[in-house]
Amino acid sequence: DAGITQSPRHKVTETGTPVTLRCHQTENHRYMYWYRQDPGHGLRLIHYSYGVKDTDKGEVSDGYSVSRSKTEDFLLTLESATSSQTSVYFCAIRGTGTSGSVKEQFFGPGTRLTVL
Amino acid sequence: TQLLEQSPQFLSIQEGENLTVYCNSSSVFSSLQWYRQEPGEGPVLLVTVVTGGEVKKLKRLTFQFGDARKDSSLHITAAQPGDTGLYLCAGAMTSGTYKYIFGTGTRLKVLA
Repeated sequence: DAGITQSPRHKVTETGTPVTLRCHQTENHRYMYWYRQDPGHGLRLIHYSYGVKDTDKGEVSDGYSVSRSKTEDFLLTLESATSSQTSVYFCAIRGTGTSGSVKEQFFGPGTRLTVL
Repeated sequence: TQLLEQSPQFLSIQEGENLTVYCNSSSVFSSLQWYRQEPGEGPVLLVTVVTGGEVKKLKRLTFQFGDARKDSSLHITAAQPGDTGLYLCAGAMTSGTYKYIFGTGTRLKVLA
């Protein structure tokens, strides 16, 4: 258990409204990631963070922004939600797991977002 | 754009059969992870392979990293219904950005 929680776990919203998803970690990991998962596409990186206030874009960043004002929280904001952003969103951290010094990704439980 | 192609996409087999899932890319990875995901949950890490040619075993699951670190395979021996799930591979990019590329997944169903 990498101590990752996501909130909310489920959300239904309307097109054009802003939405913020929260990822919280308890183990002081430097790297945090936001992915979306859609059928036929696997997991695609939206944004990631390599420290407080340090973020960078992933392959599907359009329409999304992120913020990281403290180590434990990484926020994903949909500035004006569209139906194409209906998806399951996963947060991940990069930490040391079973492979000794090799860094690995560990995932939160996900947020299912529906944009009507 | 780097791609990680995973095959097959779907697999339905009988309990006790063997199967292999493949993950292939033209890119070199510094490491490769395999995950299993259950419906409504996040991916759970099964194993990480790091060295070219490395083989790791996890009970009935055998993972191999290609010699050139561009491909990997997951072999399940005597599949059980509990192995049912979505299997994902993810390659860690060598560019120093600490980003990962995911395959599209293999949905496995093992019938009792």
